[in-house]
Amino acid sequence: EVQLVESGGGLVQPGRSLRLSCAASGFTFDDYAMHWVRQAPGKGLEWVSGISWNSGSIGYADSVKGRFTISRDNAKNSLYLQMNSLRAEDTALYYCAKVIHLSPSDDAFDIWGQGTMVTVSS
Amino acid sequence: SYELTQPPSVSVSPGQTASITCSGDKLGDKYACWYQQKPGQSPVLVIYQDSKRPSGIPERFSGSNSGNTATLTISGTQAMDEADYYCQAWDSRTGVFGTGTKVTVL
Repeated sequence: EVQLVESGGGLVQPGRSLRLSCAASGFTFDDYAMHWVRQAPGKGLEWVSGISWNSGSIGYADSVKGRFTISRDNAKNSLYLQMNSLRAEDTALYYCAKVIHLSPSDDAFDIWGQGTMVTVSS
Repeated sequence: SYELTQPPSVSVSPGQTASITCSGDKLGDKYACWYQQKPGQSPVLVIYQDSKRPSGIPERFSGSNSGNTATLTISGTQAMDEADYYCQAWDSRTGVFGTGTKVTVL
C-alpha cells in the first residue's frame, strides 16, 4: 500500500524551530518529487515547498522562503521540512504529498499523508 | 503572484450536474488539476492534466481548461460528492491552489 506518514508537529513558541518528517512506503521513493502543502484551520490549501527526486531542484512559497528548508533522504525513504523563525501564521496542518508522474516536479499530487499539526503560539 | 479564483459555494440537487470554475490569467496555457476534500480528511486528486482521471475516480468527474478558466464538472452528482474542491496549477515552478469551492448536495 502506498503511504505517507507525517510526524514532528506540535505546539511551539513564536521564533522557535520545528522539524517535520514524512515517511514514505509502498513506492519507489527516489523516483518521485515530493512536496509539502499546509492548511490553516478552517482555511484552504497552500503549497509550501517542493523537492525533485534527486534534490537538484527545490522551490518555496514566498511566505516561507528564507525560513523553511526542505530536504530528503532517499536511503531512508523520508522527506523533511525544517521550519525556523516560526510565526503565528504558520499554524496549520502540514501534509506531505507525492507527485503523480516520474517527472516533472511541478505535477499533480496523487498521494497525500494524513498531516501533522503545527501550532505556533506563546 | 499568480492567483486562482473559485466561487465559494455551489449547490446541486442529487442526480444533477455541478460545475465548478477556476479562473486565472492564461490558465489554459498551464495544466490544471482538481482535489476533493471531505471534512477531516486529506485531499484526493480527482482530475489531473486538465481532464484526466486517476484510477478509482468515477467517470462522473470530468474536467476542461481553456482561456482563463478551468472547469470541474460532476455529472449525476451523488450525496457522497459533497465536499470542498480545490483547483491547482503551477506558475514559474510555484504551486498555486484555488480559493476552494464548497459543493452542497441538496
